[in-house]
Amino acid sequence: DAKTTQPNSMESNEEEPVHLPCNHSTISGTDYIHWYRQLPSQGPEYVIHGLTSNVNNRMASLAIAEDRKSSTLILHRATLRDAAVYYCILRDWWSGNTPLVFGKGTRLSVIA
Amino acid sequence: GAVVSQHPSWVICKSGTSVKIECRSLDFQATTMFWYRQFPKQSLMLMATSNEGSKATYEQGVEKDKFLINHASLTLSTLTVTSAHPEDSSFYICISQPMTGSNSPLHFGNGTRLTVT
Repeated sequence: DAKTTQPNSMESNEEEPVHLPCNHSTISGTDYIHWYRQLPSQGPEYVIHGLTSNVNNRMASLAIAEDRKSSTLILHRATLRDAAVYYCILRDWWSGNTPLVFGKGTRLSVIA
Repeated sequence: GAVVSQHPSWVICKSGTSVKIECRSLDFQATTMFWYRQFPKQSLMLMATSNEGSKATYEQGVEKDKFLINHASLTLSTLTVTSAHPEDSSFYICISQPMTGSNSPLHFGNGTRLTVT
C-alpha cells in the first residue's frame, strides 16, 4: 500500500469544524482512502472511506482532491469525544486481504 | 453494524504463564484476522495474519512459537501468548476482514491490555 503523510498533531475548539489533512502523492488508481480513529485505550474504529468522489456519513465527510494525491477528513463540529488519533490509510482494492499499515496518524486534541 | 468481540479487555498475569485472547465476529464471517500490538505512545504494528483453516503468516521478528494463532472457524480467532514475559506487556488488537471484499471497512476488536508482572 502507498504511504500517507499526516501532521503529528492538531488542536481544535469544541463545536468548531476540524479539517484533518492527508497527503498520498503516490496513490494508485485502485487505492481506496480509508480513515480510522483510535480513542484513548480503545481499538481503532472505522470513520469513512472513498475512492474518487467526496463522501459523507454521520461521523464525518471526506474530501478527495481531484488528482487524488491528498484528502481531508472533515469533522463538522468537534466534540470532546472526537479527541483521538486519526489514521489515513490507503488500501488497494486488488490486493485481496491485505492488512492495514498504520502510520503515526494525527493526534487531535479538542479544547472545551 | 458489524461487531468484533475481543476478550478479555485486560489481563494481568505472572511471568511464565500463558494468556489466550479471543476475537469473535458476531454478525459476519471473517475470512481473515489480523493481529496487531501497540506499545505505549506508538502506532499499531502488525504481528500476524490468519486465514480461516490455514496457518498464520507472521511478520518478521514475531516468534510464531510464542504467539500462537488459531483461526479454526469463520467467526473465531485466538492469539495465545505463551510463557509471557514483562516485555510482552502491550495492547493487543484483532482486526477482521469480512468476506465482502478488500475495499470494505475492516472491523476492530476493542483491544486487550496485557500486563505481565
